[in-house]
Amino acid sequence: DAGVIQSPRHEVTEMGQEVTLRCKPISGHNSLFWYRQTMMRGLELLIYFNNNVPIDDSGMPEDRFSAKMPNASFSTLKIQPSEPRDSAVYFCASSALLNEQFFGPGTRLTVL
Amino acid sequence: AQSVAQPEDQVNVAEGNPLTVKCTYSVSGNPYLFWYVQYPNRGLQFLLKYITGDNLVKGSYGFEAEFNKSQTSFHLKKPSALVSDSALYFCAVRDTNAGKSTFGDGTTLTVKP
Repeated sequence: DAGVIQSPRHEVTEMGQEVTLRCKPISGHNSLFWYRQTMMRGLELLIYFNNNVPIDDSGMPEDRFSAKMPNASFSTLKIQPSEPRDSAVYFCASSALLNEQFFGPGTRLTVL
Repeated sequence: AQSVAQPEDQVNVAEGNPLTVKCTYSVSGNPYLFWYVQYPNRGLQFLLKYITGDNLVKGSYGFEAEFNKSQTSFHLKKPSALVSDSALYFCAVRDTNAGKSTFGDGTTLTVKP
């Protein structure tokens, strides 16, 4: 298995632009998680899905952030409009039956 | 509610010496406990877990962890540290009734030659 796939690996954009991060979970996993990691705030859970349904989005910082999971093999995290303080590494992770999570390589986002 | 604490931001050990990275937790039910490692510019990588059974759990790269219910701890250990073990280590807990894990703030392990 290729593991969790995230794209792009790096994204540099200007303030105000829309950013879309993509994730393909491991086949057969029914839970998907989006995290953000920064030096200042550490690792933060943004949202998670179970069987493609959003279960807990209490970590989404603002309405500028939205996430979707249209099917079991694809999820997106969108930021619109982006701001410099959104600069971080965004990780997607998946798990089976809520056991250990398998993380993707992350997307390093820089908002200028 | 569930929470996890890693009381040490940084742990330094000499190569060949034993290492311990500490973790304590709080849950209302029974805990599922996990350790992950993160190398620079990489995603977190699963090391080991405790679900039930033996209190001593063995995982990848020679690591092990001991579940102690009375002390609500799940410390990560390795008998002989390697320089290549230097990384950021996260402890995580999930209550059996919870849908998500709570991660600690991480402990940076540095193993010096």
